[in-house]
Amino acid sequence: SYELTQPPSVSVSPGQTARITCSGDTLPKQYAYWYQQKPGQAPVVVIKKDSERPSGIPERFSGSSSGTTVTLTISGVQAEDEADYYCQSADSSGTYWVFGGGTKLTVL
Amino acid sequence: EVQLLESGGGLVQPGGSLRLSCAASGFTFSSYAMSWVRQAPGKGLEWVSTISGSDGNTYSADSVKGRFTISRDNSKNTLYLQMNSLRAEDTAVYYCARGPNIAAAGNFDSWGQGTLVTVSS
Repeated sequence: SYELTQPPSVSVSPGQTARITCSGDTLPKQYAYWYQQKPGQAPVVVIKKDSERPSGIPERFSGSSSGTTVTLTISGVQAEDEADYYCQSADSSGTYWVFGGGTKLTVL
Repeated sequence: EVQLLESGGGLVQPGGSLRLSCAASGFTFSSYAMSWVRQAPGKGLEWVSTISGSDGNTYSADSVKGRFTISRDNSKNTLYLQMNSLRAEDTAVYYCARGPNIAAAGNFDSWGQGTLVTVSS
């Protein structure tokens, strides 16, 4: 089965830039999406189609793609950004969806 | 406003069955694919099943294929997940989610608050 690989944890100080990566073989061909999940809450999409920011998501959230790796960048991290972040994409058929294992962002 | 309200979770013994429901409102239900995504306690998100909007095509993760069946009733704006032969590893919060847009390999753009399924003797 298809897999997406994320680092388990990332730590940054407030105001710094956090970068969370996600790797997968079909990422050059399939869009990636990023979700933020805070404890006890449902996930919320923060980046669509590799780099599009949905309405209502702060400008400090951005996404990029290079080959088999996509990256979520949070510039000027705030305490409220502390959460779990998941990437999501699909396999080559486009009908088998996968989430990365998740990255816990800690704001020091 | 999109609203998704799951129900039907609870405690079930290994080998047992359970049916989850998701009542949708705030959008044209039949126009959207719908999915179930689960999250085991303290673990990450796992896609479970998706059903297309009108033609009823279904897709399922290998981990549930042959045991879980996704279905929908567009006249009632309701999504279902029939879960049979339940195992301890099926214990999770089950989220109902709108999407993805199958033709565009889209994302899950709205989520319910989830319903907890516990498989234990």
